[in-house]
Amino acid sequence: DIQMTQSPSTLSASVGDRVTITCRASQSIDSWLAWYQQKPGKAPKLLIYKASSLEIGVPSRFSGSGSGTEFTLTISSLQPDDSATYYCQQYNGDEGTFGQGTKLEIK
Amino acid sequence: QVHLVQSGAEVKKPGASVKVSCKASGYTFIGYFMHWVRQAPGQGLEWMGWINPNSGGTYYAQKFQDRVTMTRDTSISTAYMELSRLTSDDTAVYYCARGAGTTDWGQGTLLTVSS
Repeated sequence: DIQMTQSPSTLSASVGDRVTITCRASQSIDSWLAWYQQKPGKAPKLLIYKASSLEIGVPSRFSGSGSGTEFTLTISSLQPDDSATYYCQQYNGDEGTFGQGTKLEIK
Repeated sequence: QVHLVQSGAEVKKPGASVKVSCKASGYTFIGYFMHWVRQAPGQGLEWMGWINPNSGGTYYAQKFQDRVTMTRDTSISTAYMELSRLTSDDTAVYYCARGAGTTDWGQGTLLTVSS
């Protein structure tokens, strides 16, 4: 089984800050990684797929990078609406493991 | 556009089973795997497995292999997830999703397991 380790688990930052969240896979997953944003009581919203492809309609301040086992989600200039929990998901092969999540708080 | 509409909230007793449905519209149902994901209160997302609606083939996360059954009815474009031998740890919101790395999710079904 592929394990996904996401860090940090919580993050507090100010409006306008640059924020980075990291996801590490226990083995290579090529670029088969997605990033989601989830707000309380809602289904996850896809931000990035295939490690670096921005989903249509997602603001350009979100970007993804990485391949193999190390991946990052970057928010270039944090906005108040970005307060949420963020998850990575690997989808290499048959499984679809999620990271543990990063709760992002706006100071 | 793609719509995934799930069945309503359920309350079950420990030891019982539950069957959640996910009705798809707006795309060719047999063309995409249907995944199931759950989220316990205050916890993260947990991937459970998928069904290939075309063949009926399934793949389950090891944690659920002996308790989950995923099926489909192609005549009504609906996928099902049945979980047996429920315990309080199964209290969660259950989601269906069209594939992995996807923008298409159901609205979620809250399952409460309580005596």
